[in-house]
Amino acid sequence: SQQGEEDPQALSIQEGENATMNCSYKTSINNLQWYRQNSGRGLVHLILIRSNEREKHSGRLRVTLDTSKKSSSLLITASRAADTASYFCATDDINTGANSKLTFGKGITLSVRP
Amino acid sequence: NAGVTQTPKFQVLKTGQSMTLQCAQDMNHEYMSWYRQDPGMGLRLIHYSVGAGITDQGEVPNGYNVSRSTTEDFPLRLLSAAPSQTSVYFCASSYSPGVPGEQFFGPGTRLTVL
Repeated sequence: SQQGEEDPQALSIQEGENATMNCSYKTSINNLQWYRQNSGRGLVHLILIRSNEREKHSGRLRVTLDTSKKSSSLLITASRAADTASYFCATDDINTGANSKLTFGKGITLSVRP
Repeated sequence: NAGVTQTPKFQVLKTGQSMTLQCAQDMNHEYMSWYRQDPGMGLRLIHYSVGAGITDQGEVPNGYNVSRSTTEDFPLRLLSAAPSQTSVYFCASSYSPGVPGEQFFGPGTRLTVL
């Protein structure tokens, strides 16, 4: 069963705007990760946030984690056409270890219009 | 480093045929895994390995076998292909199952079963 569920399923924005994507999960976790997938390619890791962290930044990316609500958000600021891709959140299971058995959501399709 | 490599990139099988999807990594990663990606379903874990000689089942293991005789290689075997196994298959690796960190994905194998 899917652990992570992203929201919205699809997002279309204008270049330069910010994109916010949400992820909810069901069980207790050690870490939550976000990945990007360009069409026809493998997934690329974007950022990892640990369960004891609330916010993390990496370049134009900002991730928040609320373990009480079992939710995370990914913010991409000043979006570019090259950000057009699918984005996935992935969670581990606190019972199986820090990095094993990642469970992925169904993904969010982001389209950035030039 | 080549990273995670997968062969073949594309494969067409007839129902009942068997084949092996190859996966190799040159990063000395302990943890390796296989996912399948279907439209609207995100990625689902098939099998994973925490080190040479150790494998375990993921969410959707039926119809697939794996072995891990070396650190570098983690082949996925389809015993008797079925149309339901039409999918894109991704292999991934990471440093250690106990250490939080990114998973590195291969480029994928697109499999069609007729």
